[in-house]
Amino acid sequence: DTEVTQTPKHLVMGMTNKKSLKCEQHMGHRAMYWYKQKAKKPPELMFVYSYEKLSINESVPSRFSPECPNSSLLNLHLHALQPEDSALYLCASSQDGGGTGANVLTFGAGSRLTVL
Amino acid sequence: AQSVAQPEDQVNVAEGNPLTVKCTYSVSGNPYLFWYVQYPNRGLQFLLKYITGDNLVKGSYGFEAEFNKSQTSFHLKKPSALVSDSALYFCAVRGYNFNKFYFGSGTKLNVKP
Repeated sequence: DTEVTQTPKHLVMGMTNKKSLKCEQHMGHRAMYWYKQKAKKPPELMFVYSYEKLSINESVPSRFSPECPNSSLLNLHLHALQPEDSALYLCASSQDGGGTGANVLTFGAGSRLTVL
Repeated sequence: AQSVAQPEDQVNVAEGNPLTVKCTYSVSGNPYLFWYVQYPNRGLQFLLKYITGDNLVKGSYGFEAEFNKSQTSFHLKKPSALVSDSALYFCAVRGYNFNKFYFGSGTKLNVKP
């Protein structure tokens, strides 16, 4: 299995809703990432988990809450989002949680989030 | 700080012609450089990387990239473009934190029949 699977593919939520995005990989990768991408822009790093511990938080607002239940799963919990949070949310994984120069990111297809 | 720049928002090329998508980098130390491609409504797909060694790196789908230290460039090339190569291309560099990557602004490649 060489894929990163993200669910749901599309999500529409109101500003008072609580929802979650899910990401799964079975490649044995030890680092997992959340990126946010606006249309025709590069992905912006949000969080990195390395060996199931949060290692990077790019000063993301607390309405986004990541969770890594085990080495194969990554969740992003969403609460009280704003319309400007509408974007494509990409999950990625890489083999070496400690990081090496050879670290290649494998991306999922993304979850398209619309906040009304 | 590590960074990459993609000077062209868009590149247009006719099918069968060679294509080049430009990337320049600014790093302290040895650069670890990557190219990714993104098709509409999809995640990014890895094409190739430069870590060390030969300046000409071969990757997926017939793409290659030339690392040029004196010009601090890492341009993506393909000898003969296909319409199916039309997509958004991102150059990236690894940061000081090995799990942090800095992406360029992206270049939209249009290949016309």
